[in-house]
Amino acid sequence: DAGVTQSPTHLIKTRGQHVTLRCSPISGHKSVSWYQQVLGQGPQFIFQYYEKEERGRGNFPDRFSARQFPNYSSELNVNALLLGDSALYLCASSQAWESRGQFFGPGTRLTVL
Amino acid sequence: QQQVKQSPQSLIVQKGGISIINCAYENTAFDYFPWYQQFPGKGPALLIAIRPDVSEKKEGRFTISFNKSAKQFSLHIMDSQPGDSATYFCAASIGVIKAAGNKLTFGGGTRVLVKP
Repeated sequence: DAGVTQSPTHLIKTRGQHVTLRCSPISGHKSVSWYQQVLGQGPQFIFQYYEKEERGRGNFPDRFSARQFPNYSSELNVNALLLGDSALYLCASSQAWESRGQFFGPGTRLTVL
Repeated sequence: QQQVKQSPQSLIVQKGGISIINCAYENTAFDYFPWYQQFPGKGPALLIAIRPDVSEKKEGRFTISFNKSAKQFSLHIMDSQPGDSATYFCAASIGVIKAAGNKLTFGGGTRVLVKP
């Protein structure tokens, strides 16, 4: 069975640009969460989506937004990129929004120059 | 605000030895405590998890010990192998609160190196 997939693997952008990251959850999983992992730190929660609705939001500016599609895949969008947005962006899927076990994808490495 | 504090930041252990990683939390509403293993260039992988009504849980060479009164929990890796060399993260989440989802709050990570 395929695990959580994310694309692209790596991305290089310049300050002020916009980026879209994509995630496909494990088959049968309906909830997707996004995390930001800065080098040398633990992941930080950004969003959770379930059934196309936002179910949780972390302490991130409005430049960060996300959405979930009818097939449960998800996009994370970041506008007006800053150098500090350079990080590994992780997607995690779970069966339902209240499910405790979350399974992470390999991440997208974003570098902002 | 860091709600889950993890120590040590790094540790070196000989093959066959025991690796011990400790975490402390502040929010007594946390009721699910997983540990994740992360290799370079990969996403975190769920290793083992515990709930506060259990004091210890063992899966293979990995054991979680939980002390509810002290608000601390730890991961023990028995018979450590070079393949266990990775970064380990403790995490915590709160039971279902509609506004909060099931977000995980992570510790800062411990880099474990197992020497052959």
